[in-house]
Amino acid sequence: AQSVAQPEDQVNVAEGNPLTVKCTYSVSGNPYLFWYVQYPNRGLQFLLKYITGDNLVKGSYGFEAEFNKSQTSFHLKKPSALVSDSALYFCAVRGNTGGFKTIFGAGTRLFVKA
Amino acid sequence: DAGVIQSPRHEVTEMGQEVTLRCKPISGHDYLFWYRQTMMRGLELLIYFNNNVPIDDSGMPEDRFSAKMPNASFSTLKIQPSEPRDSAVYFCASRPGPGAGAFFGQGTRLTVV
Repeated sequence: AQSVAQPEDQVNVAEGNPLTVKCTYSVSGNPYLFWYVQYPNRGLQFLLKYITGDNLVKGSYGFEAEFNKSQTSFHLKKPSALVSDSALYFCAVRGNTGGFKTIFGAGTRLFVKA
Repeated sequence: DAGVIQSPRHEVTEMGQEVTLRCKPISGHDYLFWYRQTMMRGLELLIYFNNNVPIDDSGMPEDRFSAKMPNASFSTLKIQPSEPRDSAVYFCASRPGPGAGAFFGQGTRLTVV
């Protein structure tokens, strides 16, 4: 069965500092991995994905994520946080066989302090 | 494209009433998903369609919930009868293929009193 874990309910970081939002997953076969962001009273917005290829994936708004197969992790990163990055971030995983159902993590709330 | 369009944005209804949520996916997207988001349970997949055919409805909580996709440009999620515990934000999402990211609508905030 597929699962995804975001171990931190909340991450606090000062503006200008690097940020990391953690995600680990479990899936049969090779995973499709995604990050989404949700701003208040809005739907989720797609940030980036890993399907295959380079382990470092670049996405929207300066975010990137690193796929680590041995650690089954897909942590979201940004070199320099902005106050406007404050939002709820969801990691998601999908197997690449049979159905393509996406499972979302519980979400991590990011607070960037000025 | 205007993105995934959901209606209504907000719905307040009395317990026992029928509720119908509507979704227009992005044109050309083969997959459509219905999710429910609550503080307690996070984001739950209720059902998804591929080419208008329901593929997996294992997330539908009870027989009170039903979803249809009569054509590629429209889907409904119906709750009959509604209960207070159905109060949540319901999201519709679509995507063009299995390897793509999904595009979410702005959600319908349902309150059952």
